[in-house]
Amino acid sequence: DTGVSQNPRHKITKRGQNVTFRCDPISEHNRLYWYRQTLGQGPEFLTYFQNEAQLEKSRLLSDRFSAERPKGSFSTLEIQRTEQGDSAMYLCASSLAGIERGQVPTNEKLFFGSGTQLSVL
Amino acid sequence: EDQVTQSPEALRLQEGESSSLNCSYTVSGLRGLFWYRQDPGKGPEFLFTLYSAGEEKEKERLKATLTKKESFLHITAPKPEDSATYLCAVRGYGGSQGNLIFGKGTKLSVKP
Repeated sequence: DTGVSQNPRHKITKRGQNVTFRCDPISEHNRLYWYRQTLGQGPEFLTYFQNEAQLEKSRLLSDRFSAERPKGSFSTLEIQRTEQGDSAMYLCASSLAGIERGQVPTNEKLFFGSGTQLSVL
Repeated sequence: EDQVTQSPEALRLQEGESSSLNCSYTVSGLRGLFWYRQDPGKGPEFLFTLYSAGEEKEKERLKATLTKKESFLHITAPKPEDSATYLCAVRGYGGSQGNLIFGKGTKLSVKP
């Protein structure tokens, strides 16, 4: 178990440029999540995948944001035409979703990566 | 709408001075309440999951408790290495399958 890996750790870009981040989840995990976090705030949900299917996107997610998870392995998050308001830490997390039996969920523990810090100048 | 409020925003303790962090929540049917620890420049690290009122979980100097409206994270005899931001999050049955709702966190500083 090498943990969730995110690249790059830091990205500085100019307004209007496109950026792409990569996340490698824990290998046996079937769920992958993207969150965004700004200073002094908790993480904010963006989207998640179960295997290669993108099951949900936050209504706060602009059309400039797109995420993929080809073959249900690594994931990429692309931001087109970046704006200064996109500056944040982008966090990826993964989990192993199981079948809920009775009252005991089996998919609740998320493992987070160290994030990609984006600065838009 | 599911919501999480954490207090205080910041807490300074002397080493060995026990205290508690509060997490108040409103959710349409609690599916789980989660505590995470976050160090500067890193992603959150999972600590506990609580599912029903009255449940308690412990790990070293930390103990998490849950009622129908709030959760407490009790820190007994803290050490400087306990300094971090502690995040509370909830998932409700009425909300999204994949969406954890996080609070803003409590930044804990423990001085030697």
